[in-house]
Amino acid sequence: QVQLQESGPGLVNPSETLSLTCTVSGGSINSDYCSWIRQPPGKQLEWVGYISDSGSTNYNPSLKSRVTIWIDTSKNQFSLTLNSVTAADTAFYYCARMIINVPAKMGWFDPWGQGTLVTVSS
Amino acid sequence: SSELTQDSAVSVALGQTVRITCQGDSLRRYFASWYQQKPGQAPILLFYGRNNRPSGIPDRFSGSTSGKTASLTITGALAEDEADYYCNSRDSSATWVFGGGTKLTVL
Repeated sequence: QVQLQESGPGLVNPSETLSLTCTVSGGSINSDYCSWIRQPPGKQLEWVGYISDSGSTNYNPSLKSRVTIWIDTSKNQFSLTLNSVTAADTAFYYCARMIINVPAKMGWFDPWGQGTLVTVSS
Repeated sequence: SSELTQDSAVSVALGQTVRITCQGDSLRRYFASWYQQKPGQAPILLFYGRNNRPSGIPDRFSGSTSGKTASLTITGALAEDEADYYCNSRDSSATWVFGGGTKLTVL
């Protein structure tokens, strides 16, 4: 059974870069999309972006200028960086496997990591 | 970009049926997926596409779509179903968007 686990600093200074890694176990990330989703405490989910196993990316337009997702299939890991962070970037960050079936016009996130809280504060 | 609109809160009596809705123009072109999130936990996938329920999800959870409205129906709600529910779909620019979430209270 595929499992995902986020790792990275829980505290980031304003204006600096947030970096997180998602490690996938129990299966390969080949042929799937690897996605990041975030959720400010007490607020709604927000899709951040995804990367395919071939390295193609798709980002939330509201974050596109600051976000990068990359993948290391040899390590079964994918990573997120978010530049120039502010307090508004304080959130639980989740990684999730994403499957997209274009002919069937559907996509879904499953499974999810447990999430990690990143606080932006000096 | 597209938006998905959900009622912020819905309540249901124990054992009764409740429908949680998600509205957006993108739902005319792409199916929704649905997630349940309990306090302090990560979301889990409940239903996706036209008629797909992951293994391990009780069959009291079902989904449907009509026009620009996707619905998640819980038939015979249990106390353990009290949670936040989110829909997600692809919008016209090929990015993905979540609804604002619905807090379900089981009375």
